[in-house]
Amino acid sequence: KQEVTQIPAALSVPEGENLVLNCSFTDSAIYNLQWFRQDPGKGLTSLLLIQSSQREQTSGRLNASLDKSSGRSTLYIAASQPGDSATYLCAVKKTSYDKVIFGPGTSLSVIP
Amino acid sequence: DAGVIQSPRHEVTEMGQEVTLRCKPISGHNSLFWYRQTMMRGLELLIYFNNNVPIDDSGMPEDRFSAKMPNASFSTLKIQPSEPRDSAVYFCASSSGGGRIFGYTFGSGTRLTVV
Repeated sequence: KQEVTQIPAALSVPEGENLVLNCSFTDSAIYNLQWFRQDPGKGLTSLLLIQSSQREQTSGRLNASLDKSSGRSTLYIAASQPGDSATYLCAVKKTSYDKVIFGPGTSLSVIP
Repeated sequence: DAGVIQSPRHEVTEMGQEVTLRCKPISGHNSLFWYRQTMMRGLELLIYFNNNVPIDDSGMPEDRFSAKMPNASFSTLKIQPSEPRDSAVYFCASSSGGGRIFGYTFGSGTRLTVV
């Protein structure tokens, strides 16, 4: 059974710092991995999607990497801003029929 | 594209009442998912459909929960009778399948409170 964990559960950093969020999954046979952002009281917004054949994806200040063999993904946020404060969730898609398992999320707070 | 549309945004109901949540997926997406989010349990997949057919409903907590997808543009999640422990945010998401699988798009959710 696929399990997804995220470390740390919460993170507080001063504005401007670079930071890394971690995601681990137990079954390396994934189809793809997606990082989401959730603001308090809101839905999820997709940030980056990495297909199983890819190693990384970049969007602006965000860079996500994928190492299937070790069952890990990282989300790197450069030059953090207070507007980055949110909960970040990773999710792995198991098969082409789109079954997805979410991690519990990392709550990020960027202090001005 | 208006994205995934859920209604209502908020629902407050009394225990024992029937609750129906609605979802309109993105046009052209052939997979639809219902999730429930609580502080205690995080995001839980309740059920998902592919091409309007339920593929996996193992996450549906009890017989009180039922979901339908009568066509490609509409789905409902019904709780009958509702209980206070059903209070949560219910999300609908859709994605496109076929040869290339893209990511999910989530709706804004329905916050359900059962008193």
